[in-house]
Amino acid sequence: AQKVTQAQTEISVVEKEDVTLDCVYETRDTTYYLFWYKQPPSGELVFLIRRNSFDEQNEISGRYSWNFQKSTSSFNFTITASQVVDSAVYFCALGLVTQGGSEKLVFGKGMKLTVNP
Amino acid sequence: DVKVTQSSRYLVKRTGEKVFLECVQDMDHENMFWYRQDPGLGLRLIYFSYDVKMKEKGDIPEGYSVSREKKERFSLILESASTNQTSMYLCASSTGASSGSVTDTQYFGPGTRLTVL
Repeated sequence: AQKVTQAQTEISVVEKEDVTLDCVYETRDTTYYLFWYKQPPSGELVFLIRRNSFDEQNEISGRYSWNFQKSTSSFNFTITASQVVDSAVYFCALGLVTQGGSEKLVFGKGMKLTVNP
Repeated sequence: DVKVTQSSRYLVKRTGEKVFLECVQDMDHENMFWYRQDPGLGLRLIYFSYDVKMKEKGDIPEGYSVSREKKERFSLILESASTNQTSMYLCASSTGASSGSVTDTQYFGPGTRLTVL
């Protein structure tokens, strides 16, 4: 089965708090890709990061960091010193190739983050 | 920057009407996708296209069809709109330049919120 689970549906924090968004995936494929997207209230999904299954290095981009652990099938996203502009719905997604050779992107159900001033 | 545009942000139609949702990308991308987004269900793939005049069914194609006559344009058609097709529709595109590009990053448009009365 190919599945992405974002166990938290909604989180509310106060500005400057750190917050971690969990993502657990399931796949039997050895080659796959993991993504995080942000969907602000305007509705457009904004690409944040893409990682392949062979690269377990953690990544930091400004206040954002990602922790990829194949042993636990997790790809967690941490926002440090959160800001009101971080308020959005965040989606984790798993990209893989189907048996027919076509690509497929499986999304989690999303997690709504509210950062209060 | 990749630009994906959708013809309408908001659309209201009546049951039984034929509805066209248009998507245009300006980055010469090979792949284009249509998703619908519903609360609690995340994003689900309706149809995708790897080339002009080529289409593949996604996870929920029933009640929909698509058209790709030109590389930059991908249309979603609701032959006879029903109330259960009230949803947010998101279009995306990705490069698809080579076999290694499968699961390339998908870039999304702003979405069309369709209401069927």
